[in-house]
Amino acid sequence: EVQLLESGGGLVEPGGSLRLSCAASGFTFSSFAMSWVRQAPGKGLEWVSSINYSGGTTYYADSVQGRFTLSRDNSKNTVDLQMNSLRAEDTAVYYCAREDNYVWGSSRPYYGMDVWGQGTTVTVSS
Amino acid sequence: EIVLTQSPGTLSLSPGERATLSCRASQSVTSRFLTWYQQKPGQAPRLLIYGASTRATGIPDRFSGSGSGTDFTLSISRLEPEDFAVYYCQQYGSSRTFGQGTKVEIK
Repeated sequence: EVQLLESGGGLVEPGGSLRLSCAASGFTFSSFAMSWVRQAPGKGLEWVSSINYSGGTTYYADSVQGRFTLSRDNSKNTVDLQMNSLRAEDTAVYYCAREDNYVWGSSRPYYGMDVWGQGTTVTVSS
Repeated sequence: EIVLTQSPGTLSLSPGERATLSCRASQSVTSRFLTWYQQKPGQAPRLLIYGASTRATGIPDRFSGSGSGTDFTLSISRLEPEDFAVYYCQQYGSSRTFGQGTKVEIK
């Protein structure tokens, strides 16, 4: 069964750090990009960060650039989001998602984020 | 950064009716980079449509997508009880973005 399982969420004070982890199973992890998408309470989806299949390229939303770092370990089928200098506005459910490793210049469509975890909750509060 | 604006914010319809959801981009989006997701309360999002018009695996054919440039549409031909949810469009680029969502609620 294709599955993503997030962990590492919790309560942290403003300015603190947290590391989220996503464990993948049931598919060839190293063939896919991976992303994190968050959802603040009662709000919509916000893309946070993506990493390509090899880990050689990462992308970040402006809102987290310089504070969050995304990495992956293809030998362990895991992707980690290191979150530093956390702010109240980072409070959200964080979803890990399997993403199509689209190659720029290809004529085919981007296949989207087709597998999602159940989410892990991050609360930034004093 | 491309901003996606979805309308309406909420759509109140009855089962069996047709739903038409709009996603407008702040600048032109290549149609093969436009996706749609469905999210039900307490659940993770689910991929519905990719490439603006191709249904993802297992998605019923009452869901259809269309559009190009800056204007995209998700249509649900006849609403089933399980279709009442929030729908998001998303564009792919070095910076991915989601629309703010359209809630389809039971009238």
